[in-house]
Amino acid sequence: GENVEQHPSTLSVQEGDSAVIKCTYSDSASNYFPWYKQELGKRPQLIIDIRSNVGEKKDQRIAVTLNKTAKHFSLHITETQPEDSAVYFCAAGGLTGGGNKLTFGTGTQLKVEL
Amino acid sequence: NAGVTQTPKFRVLKTGQSMTLLCAQDMNHEYMYWYRQDPGMGLRLIHYSVGEGTTAKGEVPDGYNVSRLKKQNFLLGLESAAPSQTSVYFCASSYSRGGYNEQFFGPGTRLTVL
Repeated sequence: GENVEQHPSTLSVQEGDSAVIKCTYSDSASNYFPWYKQELGKRPQLIIDIRSNVGEKKDQRIAVTLNKTAKHFSLHITETQPEDSAVYFCAAGGLTGGGNKLTFGTGTQLKVEL
Repeated sequence: NAGVTQTPKFRVLKTGQSMTLLCAQDMNHEYMYWYRQDPGMGLRLIHYSVGEGTTAKGEVPDGYNVSRLKKQNFLLGLESAAPSQTSVYFCASSYSRGGYNEQFFGPGTRLTVL
């Protein structure tokens, strides 16, 4: 099955700096890569996703890049703000077997310091 | 719309007891999922359903059973709870059409097995 590795497990940045979180996946059939943000005690919420026919996608301060050859994708947050502090999860999914299942990474605790 | 709701929010069980977690969604989604979240391990898929009356095993199905008798509800059962099942359980749902779609998560159920 699919295996998703995520690094780093914790990340501390100064407000206004950029943050980068990286993930690798193992199954070349995966073609959907979402990123979820989970604030303390809350549910995960989708912040951005990318499909395998696209190499980069941007939404305001958030961007995701995908390298299918190397099987890795990254989340970039620019001009970080205190409200960006949360746990971020990457995931990978493929249509094999039905159900649009996702395999999640182990999460990155991002702390934005004032 | 309430989105995805879960009942109960918290529960403490003794080893060997049984319980059922209820997930309900009012978005007319075909796909529904049960995950467990443990520290440092991300979200792991327990079981999922691609439609009313159908269920399938995910990554960590042992010790759990599920049922989807109605499209809007997905039940997760623990027949004989074990301390290893102490976790936060999240339900999610998504549309099935047009390839991959966002998974919407419920607020979670925090389960402790003593």
